[in-house]
Amino acid sequence: EAQVTQNPRYLITVTGKKLTVTCSQNMNHEYMSWYRQDPGLGLRQIYYSMNVEVTDKGDVPEGYKVSRKEKRNFPLILESPSPNQTSLYFCASSFTSGMETQYFGPGTRLLVL
Amino acid sequence: GQNIDQPTEMTATEGAIVQINCTYQTSGFNGLFWYQQHAGEAPTFLSYNVLDGLEEKGRFSSFLSRSKGYSYLLLKELQMKDSASYLCAARDRGSTLGRLYFGRGTQLTVWP
Repeated sequence: EAQVTQNPRYLITVTGKKLTVTCSQNMNHEYMSWYRQDPGLGLRQIYYSMNVEVTDKGDVPEGYKVSRKEKRNFPLILESPSPNQTSLYFCASSFTSGMETQYFGPGTRLLVL
Repeated sequence: GQNIDQPTEMTATEGAIVQINCTYQTSGFNGLFWYQQHAGEAPTFLSYNVLDGLEEKGRFSSFLSRSKGYSYLLLKELQMKDSASYLCAARDRGSTLGRLYFGRGTQLTVWP
């Protein structure tokens, strides 16, 4: 089944404790992207990747890192999480960055205390 | 960057037609997406417009006017299950082709 998976789905952590949210797709997509969604602000793009080893900043990259060492995986790293990073995070992928349907993962709900 | 505007909330009754508008101001533009998002779920793709005009897909249609920086999503024969948030998103062009800018979403409530 074609899908984008994210882990964990829910996470409660404390300020400063490094964490990684994994994202994996099984559709051989070149393009992957991370978003955060906050009430009243909508979806905002954090980072995106056009292909392996090619990543670029979105709207709100501060406090986040990403890597794209292989095509299927695009982890989101929070080196030192802060409470303002409490949010709902979505990973998405598509064959290219063009008009193709972008498939979203189920979301990761993060609470930073 | 891009500024995407859409109404916060709309209501309609079952069987009716509703039009959700989206305006955008861009430094570069290369296409407009509409997504549907039910509460607690991930967004799902509805439509994509890059040229002016109307794209029809079943009960849903999307329109784009690049000269006016304007798009709308038209939902016909509304059903209760269409109650959701509808997200408008504009794609950048050139070296930042991967950038996607979302509006804040329009929460549509369909009443029986």
